[in-house]
Amino acid sequence: DIQMTQSPSSLSASVGDRVTITCRASQSISSYLNWYQQKPGKAPKLLIYAASNLQSGVPSRFSGSGSGTDFTLTISSLQPEDFATYYCQQSYSSRAFGQGTKVEIK
Amino acid sequence: QVQLVQSGAEVKKPGASVKVSCKASGYTFTSYDINWVRQATGQGLEWMGWMNPNSGDTGYVQKFQGRVTMTRDTSTSTAYMELSSLRSEETAVYYCARGELGTGSAFDIWGQGTMVTVSS
Repeated sequence: DIQMTQSPSSLSASVGDRVTITCRASQSISSYLNWYQQKPGKAPKLLIYAASNLQSGVPSRFSGSGSGTDFTLTISSLQPEDFATYYCQQSYSSRAFGQGTKVEIK
Repeated sequence: QVQLVQSGAEVKKPGASVKVSCKASGYTFTSYDINWVRQATGQGLEWMGWMNPNSGDTGYVQKFQGRVTMTRDTSTSTAYMELSSLRSEETAVYYCARGELGTGSAFDIWGQGTMVTVSS
């Protein structure tokens, strides 16, 4: 089974900061990597699919990059509504998720 | 609008079974997979498996094999997930989520979640 590892597990940042979250796959998954945002008590929301494609309606401050085993989610200028937990997910073989990265207010 | 609406919260005793429903609307039910994902309180997301509503084909994560059954009723555009032999540690929110048919797809629409509590 393909394992997904996110880093960091949590981070503290301020409004306006540039934030980067990393996801690593245990084997190559090409570009079959998706990113989700989850707020407390809510279902996850799709942000980025196929590594770098912005889901419709998602602000352009979110971007994704990478291929093979190493991927990155970047928030260019953190907004108050972006404080949440972020998950990567591989869709190359089954649909395993990373363990999540919690973005907190500094 | 496109949405998935799940059934309400359940309380079950250890060893019992639970069946959660997920009703689709606003799109052609048989054109997208339905996936099931669970999340224990304070924990991450765990994918359980998928079902093709058109063919009825399913695929389950190995740890759930033999205990989970995913089915559908195309006449009502409703998917079901039944989990048997429940344990207390399986207390969690269970989500259904839509994905395009076949491999490689992300989950673009999610249900609101169903809280399943397993307690004696």
